Amino acid sequence: AQSVAQPEDQVNVAEGNPLTVKCTYSVSGNPYLFWYVQYPNRGLQFLLKYITGDNLVKGSYGFEAEFNKSQTSFHLKKPSALVSDSALYFCAVSDNTNAGKSTFGDGTTLTVKP
Amino acid sequence: DTGVSQDPRHKITKRGQNVTFRCDPISEHNRLYWYRQTLGQGPEFLTYFQNEAQLEKSRLLSDRFSAERPKGSFSTLEIQRTEQGDSAMYLCASSTPPGLAAQETQYFGPGTRLLVL
Repeated sequence: AQSVAQPEDQVNVAEGNPLTVKCTYSVSGNPYLFWYVQYPNRGLQFLLKYITGDNLVKGSYGFEAEFNKSQTSFHLKKPSALVSDSALYFCAVSDNTNAGKSTFGDGTTLTVKP
Repeated sequence: DTGVSQDPRHKITKRGQNVTFRCDPISEHNRLYWYRQTLGQGPEFLTYFQNEAQLEKSRLLSDRFSAERPKGSFSTLEIQRTEQGDSAMYLCASSTPPGLAAQETQYFGPGTRLLVL
């Protein structure tokens, strides 16, 4: 079985400060990891993914994430937060033994204050 | 707009009625997924298709739920005899055929919000 944990329901940061949204995962095979963002009454928008290769993955809107196999983590980061980054963020995992099915975390609400 | 589209965006129905939702994937995507999302939770996998073949169904998909993708393009999700617990956002996503990674990025539609009274 595969699972995702996002340990923080809410993350609050000041505009211009760095942000981190945490994600840990559990899979039986090699992990495929994704971050999505959801704005109110909208579907999920893809931000970035890790499939293989470099542990540091760069994605849309200046976001990046670091894959850490030993800690089974895939934390989302941005060096300088914007007020417009305020949204709901989801981490998702799939693996190479269960292609097609992604398991999502329960989401982290990011609030960036001016 | 060439993204994933879903219709309707909102549906209010009375308990016991049947409802049907439609999803049109990105045209070159042969995989199509259905998820359900309730307030405060992430999307939960329901089922997915590769072309017209339904390859996996979650145990969440009770006998009252049925999904089809008859020509390998658009898909429908029908809920029969709706219950108040069916109230949720129903999300559709599509992806390209898997490459070496066996899992490609899923692109989501805006969702259909269902309210069962």
